Amino acid sequence: QKEVEQNSGPLSVPEGAIASLNCTYSDRGSQSFFWYRQYSGKSPELIMFIYSNGDKEDGRFTAQLNKASQYVSLLIRDSQPSDSATYLCAVNPGSGDMRFGAGTRLTVKP
Amino acid sequence: NAGVMQNPRHLVRRRGQEARLRCSPMKGHSHVYWYRQLPEEGLKFMVYLQKENIIDESGMPKERFSAEFPKEGPSILRIQQVVRGDSAAYFCASSPIVGGQETQYFGPGTRLLVL
Repeated sequence: QKEVEQNSGPLSVPEGAIASLNCTYSDRGSQSFFWYRQYSGKSPELIMFIYSNGDKEDGRFTAQLNKASQYVSLLIRDSQPSDSATYLCAVNPGSGDMRFGAGTRLTVKP
Repeated sequence: NAGVMQNPRHLVRRRGQEARLRCSPMKGHSHVYWYRQLPEEGLKFMVYLQKENIIDESGMPKERFSAEFPKEGPSILRIQQVVRGDSAAYFCASSPIVGGQETQYFGPGTRLLVL
């Protein structure tokens, strides 16, 4: 079982819709959770981090964490074509290094 | 306020040559992480370093790869006797503290192509 799993996609949504990205992780001791956005040929860019169970909102982005289910998600409201990218879920098990999922490719169609 | 800096941005090597990739962390950051990303794949952790100390190298191949973060100067990822399978994007990230909740910020990456 992979440490961090994401649906590879592609996930396609129309402009203005809600995009929902999901991630599961295997290490129950994981302490912090991150979502990065990566445009093709570019480096990962931090979008959000979440440490506690529940929801965390930042503008159009909402991260959701459920440690009991070992599940973390990212919702993007009012999706824009500029949101089209690969979204990487990352989990820090507490040892300093980060474990990344393979990423979900999102396409927002005008 | 400079971010994480990596150089070179692109590096071409022939099989058997050495590749040296450099990373300067963000100001105030003392922890450096190296990741490798193959085309159409996710990021794979390689090594985590503090100044003059390797903390975790569990993701580093046992042969030909080494990393250092000296007291002065950038962190260096060194690949000896490169092979075609080493062609990838190598990203460096830095963070300010250790403890399990620090956020890592990425540099622009070095794209290595082995001919």
